[in-house]
Formats: sequence, C-alpha cells, structure tokens
Amino acid sequence: DAKTTQPPSMDCAEGRAANLPCNHSTISGNEYVYWYRQIHSQGPQYIIHGLKNNETNEMASLIITEDRKSSTLILPHATLRDTAVYYCIVRDTGNQFYFGTGTSLTVIP
Amino acid sequence: DAGITQSPRHKVTETGTPVTLRCHQTENHRYMYWYRQDPGHGLRLIHYSYGVKDTDKGEVSDGYSVSRSKTEDFLLTLESATSSQTSVYFCAISELGSTGTGELFFGEGSRLTVL
Repeated sequence: DAKTTQPPSMDCAEGRAANLPCNHSTISGNEYVYWYRQIHSQGPQYIIHGLKNNETNEMASLIITEDRKSSTLILPHATLRDTAVYYCIVRDTGNQFYFGTGTSLTVIP
Repeated sequence: DAGITQSPRHKVTETGTPVTLRCHQTENHRYMYWYRQDPGHGLRLIHYSYGVKDTDKGEVSDGYSVSRSKTEDFLLTLESATSSQTSVYFCAISELGSTGTGELFFGEGSRLTVL
C-alpha cells in the first residue's frame, strides 16, 4: 500500500500560491520524499525531493516538518499550466517508489 | 528528456493471449520499473529491477513477470492476459549515487486493452 496520504482534489486561483499537503507518518529516517506531477495521460514528471531540510528549485518549494511525518509542496505563483495531478512519494531504502492516488489540482482563472 | 522508449504504445489483444511490453533506455541507469495506472488507483508498482537479472515484485505483481537480460531493456510479460489487466503501463528508470538524485524518469506509456 502507498505510504503517503493526500487530499484527492484542490483548487487554486491563478497567480496565488498553491499549497499541497502530504502525510507520510510512517516514513523512516533515511527515506526521501519526492513530488511528481502528471498532466493528462503523460508520464509523471519530477518536481522536487528532500530528506529533512526544506528545498527550493525553479519549480517549487518543499517544506518538511521537523518530525518528517508530513510535507507541503508550494507552487509560488500558480498558472493554468500547473493544473495536474500531484503525487507525493516516499522512496524507500530499496529504491522503490510508491505513488498513491495523488491530488488533482485545478488552477482557476 | 531521458532516453526511454516503450513499445508497443498501443495494443489490443484477447483474453488468454500472451503479451510482452518492452522498455528500452539509453541512459545506462541501474534501476528500472514497471507501473500500471488505472482510474482511482494512481500508479501502482508491478515489478522493478536493480540490475541485470536482478528483479523483484512490487505491490501488484500477480499475473505479471519481468526479465532484464541487459541493462537497457526491461520486459514486462502477461502470460495469459485478462480483462483486469487493461490499463496504461508506464516504464521508469532511475539512478542513485553521487551523480544522481534518484528521481524517476518515465516513458510515454503503453495502453493495453484486453477484450
């Protein structure tokens, strides 16, 4: 079974920050959190990942709680092209990635 | 974009027939994966490989087998296809170590319909 829990859907106004939560309460100390998104029926695309510290790249920011049991993906200025399904994933020590059902984000004009 | 090719991209077959999906990579990545995607289930891991001839089961491996005889190819076989195996199948690759972030790179998917 998936190791993460996400809300099934969210809306965000265009230009505003989109904050997508993820619960991974059973995560182990050396397991990474990854975020991917999938647009239509294309293969998922990598966004960002982290272990303990918060991370930022050109696409998004990842905030991981101190106890590592949850995280939030932040898209700082959502655009219509950010409408997609977002997956929060834990990569286990065997390098397996379990996806779950993700959050369907709709950016509203 | 990572060099990953899946074939065939679309296939329609009948119940009980064998089907093989091929994933070919040009990145020399060690890890390869097969996922299936169905409405309401997201992506589910079928099998994965951590090297030539080294494979292991994922969360939905029943009815599927895999083989990896060389680094660049990972084959997924349905010995006797059933209608419940109608799905979109994605191959993915990843690499670890000092040069890799461990992220997955996905192929474009193979849509299989079992009648």
